[in-house]
This record gives sequence, C-alpha cells and structure tokens, in this order.
Amino acid sequence: ILNVEQSPQSLHVQEGDSTNFTCSFPSSNFYALHWYRWETAKSPEALFVMTLNGDEKKKGRISATLNTKEGYSYLYIKGSQPEDSATYLCAFIRGPDADKLIFGTGTRLQVFP
Amino acid sequence: DAGITQSPRHKVTETGTPVTLRCHQTENHRYMYWYRQDPGHGLRLIHYSYGVKDTDKGEVSDGYSVSRSKTEDFLLTLESATSSQTSVYFCATQEDPSYTEAFFGQGTRLTVV
Repeated sequence: ILNVEQSPQSLHVQEGDSTNFTCSFPSSNFYALHWYRWETAKSPEALFVMTLNGDEKKKGRISATLNTKEGYSYLYIKGSQPEDSATYLCAFIRGPDADKLIFGTGTRLQVFP
Repeated sequence: DAGITQSPRHKVTETGTPVTLRCHQTENHRYMYWYRQDPGHGLRLIHYSYGVKDTDKGEVSDGYSVSRSKTEDFLLTLESATSSQTSVYFCATQEDPSYTEAFFGQGTRLTVV
C-alpha cells in the first residue's frame, strides 16, 4: 500500500447498531495515524491521534485501535445514533519528513432512526 | 474553537484570472496546509508550510503557489484559474503533525467559470 485506503466507502446502519471501519496505510516509516469526523457543511474535527503500535483510544461510544506492523487502524462506533452520521477520515504521517498529513477518501456513515 | 479563518468563503472567477485565498490563524501553529476537497477524492494536499517562508509541495500542486511571510498567514494562489480548479479549499494548522491534531478552517468554495 502506497497511500491511505479506507473501507468501506459508505455504510448505512440502523440506530443502535454497532459498526466499524478500516484504515490501511503503509507500515514502513510510520509516525502517526489520525482519525477525523466530518459532518456535512462543516469542517473536519479530530477524534484521535495515535502513534504507538497497539494504541487504543476511546471517546464516548467511539474507539480506535492501531496496528503499525501490519498497517491498519479500526474505528468502532458502539450503538450508532443519527448524530453519528458523518464522513470519517483517517490521515497518515510517514517519515522521514513526518510533516505531511495525507488523508484517505473517507467512510461515509449514515445512521437511520 | 481554534482560530482559523479562511477568506473569502465563496468566490466565482473567470478562467485565466489569478486568485488568492487567505488562511489566517491565531493559534501560533508551526504547520499550515492547503487541501482541496473533490467528490471521490477526499482531501488532497496542495501545498504546506513548516515555518515562515518554508513551504513544500503536496500531491496536487500544479497550477498553485503559496506564500507564508508570517506565522499567522498562509496564502494560496491560483496563478491562472482553470475549471479543473473548481473545488472547496480547506486550510488546516497543526503544531506538530506527529503528536497533535490538525484544526481546519471553514472552507472556501471556489468556482471557475
């Protein structure tokens, strides 16, 4: 993998369902992996910044895990609510420059009441 | 909210004219970025800055130039606007890409006719 890839591209779930998305990235020269939440007509907002292999982060019903050796991160949403509807972006920073935040194309989540 | 302001918020311009977009921050962050958002492509990096007068190209830099004469301001110039540059442009700032989150401006919708 040369760039950041996210799957699925879009997801429709019912309120109360739990869901997860995948972000795949090059495993060499890893520096950091970010997750952002992007609501329609707004700007992206950060959820997590992850730097260490095995990192697990949690914010309310949203959590994320990181595997730098195999080059993937999972984002989990437990008990999805309609207000969780958004596009979820992951972004990757790679050495040696470690100064460019490169984004995936995102997973668009729609939660139906 | 992080103090990042983009101007203008909306602009319509004619093909062949130069256009400058401004990003202003009050956070004193070292790094500043310009992205464009297009359907199916997510956020693509145009140019970025890692300090005053220090800039570098991103993945879609052709037809764009940038300048950063002071910490607070990062200007994006379309030297001769083309219809393919119709897009929504986002500025972002960050103190340290490896450890801190990025903060985004509200976006500028540019239409080239």
